[in-house]
Amino acid sequence: NAGVTQTPKFQVLKTGQSMTLQCAQDMNHEYMSWYRQDPGMGLRLIHYSVGAGITDQGEVPNGYNVSRSTTEDFPLRLLSAAPSQTSVYFCASSRTGGNSPLHFGNGTRLTVT
Amino acid sequence: QQQVKQSPQSLIVQKGGIPIINCAYENTAFDYFPWYQQFPGKGPALLIAIRPDVSEKKEGRFTISFNKSAKQFSLHIMDSQPGDSATYFCAAGLTGGGNKLTFGTGTQLKVEL
Repeated sequence: NAGVTQTPKFQVLKTGQSMTLQCAQDMNHEYMSWYRQDPGMGLRLIHYSVGAGITDQGEVPNGYNVSRSTTEDFPLRLLSAAPSQTSVYFCASSRTGGNSPLHFGNGTRLTVT
Repeated sequence: QQQVKQSPQSLIVQKGGIPIINCAYENTAFDYFPWYQQFPGKGPALLIAIRPDVSEKKEGRFTISFNKSAKQFSLHIMDSQPGDSATYFCAAGLTGGGNKLTFGTGTQLKVEL
């Protein structure tokens, strides 16, 4: 059982480049989300989805797009990378309702130069 | 806007000591308060959680104390071990608000021999 799988583990981009961070889960979880982790800032919610075809913005959505075409996958797109987007990105999934625990992937460390 | 404030930022204790991590929240509508544990290079994982209808919850060596009137909650680790060295995040959420969590800024704990 792989859980939540994030790829790539590391990525270096130049300002203005675009890329997609991949997230896949094999637990049939309806809820998926993206967080970024920065020193002294904790984990901040970027976007989330309660099911295929449904997405919504979190606390810090600017500069990021998401889509949810299947239950398993929830990619995060950076259309034009900026140095402020240098961070560690975590994807998390859970069952919906009942305050089900979030299951996190192991993260993607992104550096934008 | 920091809705969940966490302190201290870092903490060093001796093996067998009792580290205490404190969190305070602002939104009185929050009704779910989990703690997540993160080891280097890994994603956070749920450690223990509490709801505001109880003042204390214990799971093994980990205890959450909750003070609803003060809007504060804390994590105590009894008989701490070097294997407890990790970053700890408190969080707050709403039942019925999906699984969106607002996280604190994290506490880096080191347990020395």
